[in-house]
Amino acid sequence: AQSVTQLDSQVPVFEEAPVELRCNYSSSVSVYLFWYVQYPNQGLQLLLKYLSGSTLVKGINGFEAEFNKSQTSFHLRKPSVHISDTAEYFCAVPPSASKIIFGSGTRLSIRP
Amino acid sequence: DTEVTQTPKHLVMGMTNKKSLKCEQHMGHRAMYWYKQKAKKPPELMFVYSYEKLSINESVPSRFSPECPNSSLLNLHLHALQPEDSALYLCASSQAQDLGQQFFGPGTRLTVL
Repeated sequence: AQSVTQLDSQVPVFEEAPVELRCNYSSSVSVYLFWYVQYPNQGLQLLLKYLSGSTLVKGINGFEAEFNKSQTSFHLRKPSVHISDTAEYFCAVPPSASKIIFGSGTRLSIRP
Repeated sequence: DTEVTQTPKHLVMGMTNKKSLKCEQHMGHRAMYWYKQKAKKPPELMFVYSYEKLSINESVPSRFSPECPNSSLLNLHLHALQPEDSALYLCASSQAQDLGQQFFGPGTRLTVL
């Protein structure tokens, strides 16, 4: 069965500092991985997705993630965060075309 | 139009009430979803409709009754809910076979008294 683990429930960073949100996956089959973001009082929005090909995936709002098969990781990074990046971030895996399994989420809080 | 809309934004209901949540999309998506999200938790899948037919029911109690009148609309009928059903209810849609790319609405914040 496929699953994802987000290692940090909260990550506080200062504005304009870099950030990395960690995600590890477990799968015995072909891996597809996603990062979704949920801004306060909103629904979820797809940040980026890895289906195949290049292991470095670029998403919206300056975020990127690297698929690392040997470490079974798909960490999300941004070189310089802004107050507007304050949100909950979910790593996710689709066990089928109709389902998404979300990780437990990481709350990113930005300090001025 | 890449938007999923949900109404109402907030709903307060008693345990004996009957109410409905509504979701609408005009992106031509043929798969639609209901999720339940408790505070500080990830969304949990409740139902999936594919081509207007219910394809997945994640063992949801019968007090929640989904309906898909057409390819653009999705309803969730609520009856005899419990206080523990209070949560954010999210609707999403996608192309029927699009892995992971789901578009979410802003949700309905439900409070059951």
